[in-house]
Order: sequence, then structure tokens, then C-alpha cells
Amino acid sequence: ETGVTQSPTHLIKTRGQQVTLRCSSQSGHNTVSWYQQALGQGPQFIFQYYREEENGRGNFPPRFSGLQFPNYSSELNVNALELDDSALYLCASSLEVGEQFFGPGTRLTVL
Amino acid sequence: GDSVTQMEGPVTLSEEAFLTINCTYTATGYPSLFWYVQYPGEGLQLLLKATKADDKGSNKGFEATYRKETTSFHLEKGSVQVSDSAVYFCALISGSARQLTFGSGTQLTVLP
Repeated sequence: ETGVTQSPTHLIKTRGQQVTLRCSSQSGHNTVSWYQQALGQGPQFIFQYYREEENGRGNFPPRFSGLQFPNYSSELNVNALELDDSALYLCASSLEVGEQFFGPGTRLTVL
Repeated sequence: GDSVTQMEGPVTLSEEAFLTINCTYTATGYPSLFWYVQYPGEGLQLLLKATKADDKGSNKGFEATYRKETTSFHLEKGSVQVSDSAVYFCALISGSARQLTFGSGTQLTVLP
């Protein structure tokens, strides 16, 4: 059974650019949640996708958007990057509203 | 909204010492409670959970009891090891999306 994978591992962007982060969910899981973890902080919920539809959103602006594909993998897109977007982005997959299994994260640095 | 407050870190202990990391929460209803652990350079791993009042979650020698009257879920371990060095996050699950709300984390360092 393959766990949750994320790509890329690290990414460096400049202010104003756009970025796409990817997540492959664990086999059999149909729900993906994204979290932002700033340095020294706990993860904060960005949004969740269930069967290709957004199923809940945290307190993040619209320039944070996402997609879920028929194979349940997911993308997180961030437009007009700001310095404060520098963080570890975590993806978690689950079956329905069951236990969430986390990937290793993508470290985004915005210069 | 829902929130989780964790004991400020970092915490440094000698091997075989007793560990307590305090966690209190604010939530509507009766949330499920969790402790996650994050090792350097890795994602989060579920350590233990409790889904209702007075439940005790346990795993790898760690324990936490869901106390509704004090809205607490303190993490304890009787004898820590160097390999327990990590960041520990208390969390609750709530909302229609069953999203996790995390505390700010407690860095634990165990010295040999």
C-alpha cells in the first residue's frame, strides 16, 4: 500500500509568481485535505476536496485554490505569491471523514 | 471558533524522565482529540486519539485522557527515550469537513 506522496519536496519562488503543489492520496482514499504550516507553528487548514468537489475551506484568500482529479490526487495552486506564503504545505488523505494520513510536505520559500 | 492551546516549549528532558505536555481546547460540541508527532524533515504521524469524554488514548508508551470537565487532553509518558525527540501537536477535529485544528506544537528534546 502506497502512502501519501507530495511533490516537489522543496520549491523557491519570488513574490508575485504562481505555484502548483501536488499530492497523491493513499490507495483507497477519496478525500484530500491541505494544510499550511508556518515555521514554528501548527498546521492550519486550507481546504478539503471530496470526490472532486471542495468540501470545506479555512480562512485563506481566494488566491489559494485547488483541484481533485478522478484518481483522487490533488493540486494546490497559489497565485500572486506573498512572502508570508513561505511555509510547509501538508497534504492529508482519508477515506470519507476517517483518519487523515499525512504526506511529508512541500517546503515553499518565497523570496 | 475552535482552538487548541498547548504548553509552550521547548522541553528538554533526560532519558527515562517523566513527560507531560499540557493541552487544552475550546470547541462547540464534543470533538475528537488527537496527538500528532512530527520528526525532523517528516510529515505528521498520528500518535494517539480519543473520541469521547473519559476515553484514554495510548500508543508507544504515551497516554492522554479526554477530560471534558477541564477541556484538556494532556500527553504523558512515564520514561522518555532519545528517539522520542520530536515536535508534538495536540489537535481536535470538527466542522462539516472534519478538518483538524492544531495547537502550536511543543518541541521535545531528550538527552542521553
